[in-house]
Amino acid sequence: AQTVTQSQPEMSVQEAETVTLSCTYDTSENNYYLFWYKQPPSRQMILVIRQEAYKQQNATENRFSVNFQKAAKSFSLKISDSQLGDTAMYFCAFMRRDNYGQNFVFGPGTRLSVLP
Amino acid sequence: ETGVTQTPRHLVMGMTNKKSLKCEQHLGHNAMYWYKQSAKKPLELMFVYNFKEQTENNSVPSRFSPECPNSSHLFLHLHTLQPEDSALYLCASSQDAGTGYQPQHFGDGTRLSIL
Repeated sequence: AQTVTQSQPEMSVQEAETVTLSCTYDTSENNYYLFWYKQPPSRQMILVIRQEAYKQQNATENRFSVNFQKAAKSFSLKISDSQLGDTAMYFCAFMRRDNYGQNFVFGPGTRLSVLP
Repeated sequence: ETGVTQTPRHLVMGMTNKKSLKCEQHLGHNAMYWYKQSAKKPLELMFVYNFKEQTENNSVPSRFSPECPNSSHLFLHLHTLQPEDSALYLCASSQDAGTGYQPQHFGDGTRLSIL
């Protein structure tokens, strides 16, 4: 079974600064996807970024980037130039890459507060 | 507008009541999902429907009964719930659930409180 761990229940960052959220996972699979989802107070889950495990290059989406270390099973999210709208719960998630359904396994989440 | 609409937004019910949660997607997707989000616990996948067929049931108690009459609608029927069932219930949809990665689109959830 896969597990996802987020060791930081809460974090805060000053506006315009950079923050890194950590995520580690455990799996025996070799082909999989990793995701970061954002859940603002509005409750909607929003996909922030995704990474295919077979790609060595770290994914980047504007101010969001990841540091994917496959051997260490680590998948951290870096948010640059933090904005007040980045305040949210952030969930790291794992998904097997096979034809037997899309079972997401989510971490417990990190609550990020961006301070003015 | 998320494309995935859940009703009601909030629901308070007694342990002996019967109620249903509704999810509707307007994205033309073929797969729909129910998740449970409890305080201080990871998001848990409950059920997966792909082309109206249930493909996953992650050991969910029988007091939760899903129904998928068509690819656009998903229900979660509730009866004889327990206080620990109080949580946010999220619905999601994707193009399908069997051919590799397809992004999941989430609704805003139904906040369920069991008295």
